Amino acid sequence: DQQVKQNSPSLSVQEGRISILNCDYTNSMFDYFLWYKKYPAEGPTFLISISSIKDKNEDGRFTVFLNKSAKHLSLHIVPSQPGDSAVYFCAARDGYNFNKFYFGSGTKLNVKP
Amino acid sequence: NAGVTQTPKFQVLKTGQSMTLQCAQDMNHNSMYWYRQDPGMGLRLIYYSASEGTTDKGEVPNGYNVSRLNKREFSLRLESAAPSQTSVYFCASRSGVETGNTIYFGEGSWLTVV
Repeated sequence: DQQVKQNSPSLSVQEGRISILNCDYTNSMFDYFLWYKKYPAEGPTFLISISSIKDKNEDGRFTVFLNKSAKHLSLHIVPSQPGDSAVYFCAARDGYNFNKFYFGSGTKLNVKP
Repeated sequence: NAGVTQTPKFQVLKTGQSMTLQCAQDMNHNSMYWYRQDPGMGLRLIYYSASEGTTDKGEVPNGYNVSRLNKREFSLRLESAAPSQTSVYFCASRSGVETGNTIYFGEGSWLTVV
């Protein structure tokens, strides 16, 4: 059973608007969370991360929010740009084994011009 | 800046054939990984190596073997390929806590087993 879930396979947003990508997890021992962006025929690239001791982290247009009680994190992209169109994966690290990262199945974001 | 490089990029195998996927990183990372990506499944960890000389199983190790040849290189071997191993394979390495604890991926290897 997947420990990290992205329940929306796809999301379509107008350029300039906010994109919100969601991720849920089941393991309370996850202590570090990351978002990756993936273009077709390329490897995933790191976007932003957050430690479990924080509830928000910002980097330019990207903000990640963590709600530990709900075991939920989200990625906000404001404003969305056509170049943001890609597949976004969330990932969570096992707090007992820093080498084990669990990935969601991805959300394909399409930003329309 | 090469980062993580893996070869080959594309490969078609017949059932029962063997092959090795090669991976090298030039970032002096201790930890290296092999993941596979399947539709609707995300990235699943096959094997990892926390440091030179050590390897451990991930979520889906069956049918694979790995070798951590040195700090730079981590190879994945399919001894007897099966159609269920048709997938996209990603090699990765991880920076330490002091440099952000981030996983860096190669560009992927597309493997088809017929």
